[in-house]
Amino acid sequence: AQSVTQLDSHVSVSEGTPVLLRCNYSSSYSPSLFWYVQHPNKGLQLLLKYTSAATLVKGINGFEAEFKKSETSFHLTKPSAHMSDAAEYFCVVSEGIQGAQKLVFGQGTRLTINP
Amino acid sequence: DTAVSQTPKYLVTQMGNDKSIKCEQNLGHDTMYWYKQDSKKFLKIMFSYNNKELIINETVPNRFSPKSPDKAHLNLHINSLELGDSAVYFCASSQYRRSESQGQFFGPGTRLTVL
Repeated sequence: AQSVTQLDSHVSVSEGTPVLLRCNYSSSYSPSLFWYVQHPNKGLQLLLKYTSAATLVKGINGFEAEFKKSETSFHLTKPSAHMSDAAEYFCVVSEGIQGAQKLVFGQGTRLTINP
Repeated sequence: DTAVSQTPKYLVTQMGNDKSIKCEQNLGHDTMYWYKQDSKKFLKIMFSYNNKELIINETVPNRFSPKSPDKAHLNLHINSLELGDSAVYFCASSQYRRSESQGQFFGPGTRLTVL
């Protein structure tokens, strides 16, 4: 079975400084990986996805993630944090099943932005 | 236009009651899902339907019964509600592709509180 581990339950940064949210995955084959964001009392929004094309993936709102097979990692970064980035972030791996896509979620990382 | 919509947004009910949550997507997707998010924000898949056919059925109590009248709708009926059913339930949809995992689009969630 595939799984993801988010290494930090809470990350706090100052506005304008870089953001790093860490995720390691476990997969027996080349995985499909995603990052989702959930703002307070909202649904989940897809930030970006990796599906074995370019290892550096660019997403919305200035976020990007790099797939590193040797480290089994898929960390999410942003050069400069904005107050609106405060939210819960989920690293997700997809298990392929005939007819559907089973998403397996990490535990989430709460990102706090300090003014 | 809302891509994935759920009704109701909030549901407060007594133990032992039966309730339903409705989900509709207007994205033309063929696959729909139900997820449960617990109080620690952990998300877990419950069910998935592809074109009205049940594809994923995780270890969910049989008090939970999904129904898909057509590929744009996936409803969730819960019998004999228990305190532990209190959670946020998310509906999602995607277009199934065997060759590449697509991201899923999520609804805004239904917060169920069982008293």
